[in-house]
Amino acid sequence: ETGVTQTPRHLVMGMTNKKSLKCEQHLGHNAMYWYKQSAKKPLELMFVYNFKEQTENNSVPSRFSPECPNSSHLFLHLHTLQPEDSALYLCASSPATSVSYNEQFFGPGTRLTVL
Amino acid sequence: EDQVTQSPEALRLQEGESSSLNCSYTVSGLRGLFWYRQDPGKGPEFLFTLYSAGEEKEKERLKATLTKKESFLHITAPKPEDSATYLCAVQGWGKLQFGAGTQVVVTP
Repeated sequence: ETGVTQTPRHLVMGMTNKKSLKCEQHLGHNAMYWYKQSAKKPLELMFVYNFKEQTENNSVPSRFSPECPNSSHLFLHLHTLQPEDSALYLCASSPATSVSYNEQFFGPGTRLTVL
Repeated sequence: EDQVTQSPEALRLQEGESSSLNCSYTVSGLRGLFWYRQDPGKGPEFLFTLYSAGEEKEKERLKATLTKKESFLHITAPKPEDSATYLCAVQGWGKLQFGAGTQVVVTP
């Protein structure tokens, strides 16, 4: 595997389900990111992890719970979601963030549909 | 509040017809402006980072420029494979903000 991989690629869940999205990067990076991409809206940065520590949470509802066990893996745990949470969820990685973000490498995304 | 606006929303070009995309921004203390390209069904692909007014970067048929208020992505003699959505993102002292993108279609 190379680059940034995400599983599953597609997910359909009910509002009462609990599911998790997985992201893995094979680039030796130390920063990882979760983004939400909705139709006709700008990409929204949700969470940032730097050396496994969460450094940003951009007012994301608690029904989204991130986990970063090591610098190569990132999870997004989902529970009691709403239909408006349906979107493409993108993971990205980069060399560790410092003064400014640098080049980010994105995965292909998980297309989430909440019924 | 930091803001990023991209124009036009969509652009249709004939192969070889050069054009420019605009990214206007309002940010407190620019720390970086980024251009990405996104193909349907894929994640964004990094193109350029610009840090200060007057800076320019080039890659094949693409050239990015930066002023204190906006950035331009110039596409010279585009080919059909340049068809994609081009995203601009800005980082000030707040969170990273993306624009809504410009969808470019290049026809043979």
